[in-house]
Amino acid sequence: GIQVEQSPPDLILQEGANSTLRCNFSDSVNNLQWFHQNPWGQLINLFYIPSGTKQNGRLSATTVATERYSLLYISSSQTTDSGVYFCAVLRANNLFFGTGTRLTVIP
Amino acid sequence: EPEVTQTPSHQVTQMGQEVILRCVPISNHLYFYWYRQILGQKVEFLVSFYNNEISEKSEIFDDQFSVERPDGSNFTLKIRSTKLEDSAMYFCASSVFGEQFFGPGTRLTVL
Repeated sequence: GIQVEQSPPDLILQEGANSTLRCNFSDSVNNLQWFHQNPWGQLINLFYIPSGTKQNGRLSATTVATERYSLLYISSSQTTDSGVYFCAVLRANNLFFGTGTRLTVIP
Repeated sequence: EPEVTQTPSHQVTQMGQEVILRCVPISNHLYFYWYRQILGQKVEFLVSFYNNEISEKSEIFDDQFSVERPDGSNFTLKIRSTKLEDSAMYFCASSVFGEQFFGPGTRLTVL
């Protein structure tokens, strides 16, 4: 099956810092989603991004489908950004998740 | 804003018992899914459902599992005889086509 790898696995930031999370995938996909899993376990949709760049406030994402990777940028991080960030690739209408990046933002 | 809902939020059961997890997808969505997440691990696809039948299922979705859309709004996952390793968070999701939206999950604990 398709492999989805995320890096780094863990990231600790000082509040206000910027970060870049990476997602690599092993095969062509129909689309890609980024999620934030909050401390209560809920999966919050961040981006649905087959290619190009999208921005939403302090977050932005870029997918380069031809090179099989996507990046999630978090600027001016806040403590509420803490949690696990998952990318998931869409293949045949089913999502295959990466192993996530656990982000901890300290005040 | 419409959202996917799931009940119960927590379920504790004894090994060997049957459980039914319930979901109400977003009303105009056509595709429905179940995923699970064992504690500390990634989210794994279980099954997708479209037009009142299973469209795809993973290796995890064996004969112990079944799904049903008993009416126009509910979507259920049944586990016939639970095992310890079924303990996980179970997420329901729905989509029109493409972007999937997830419910808050049901945390299942099998003792």
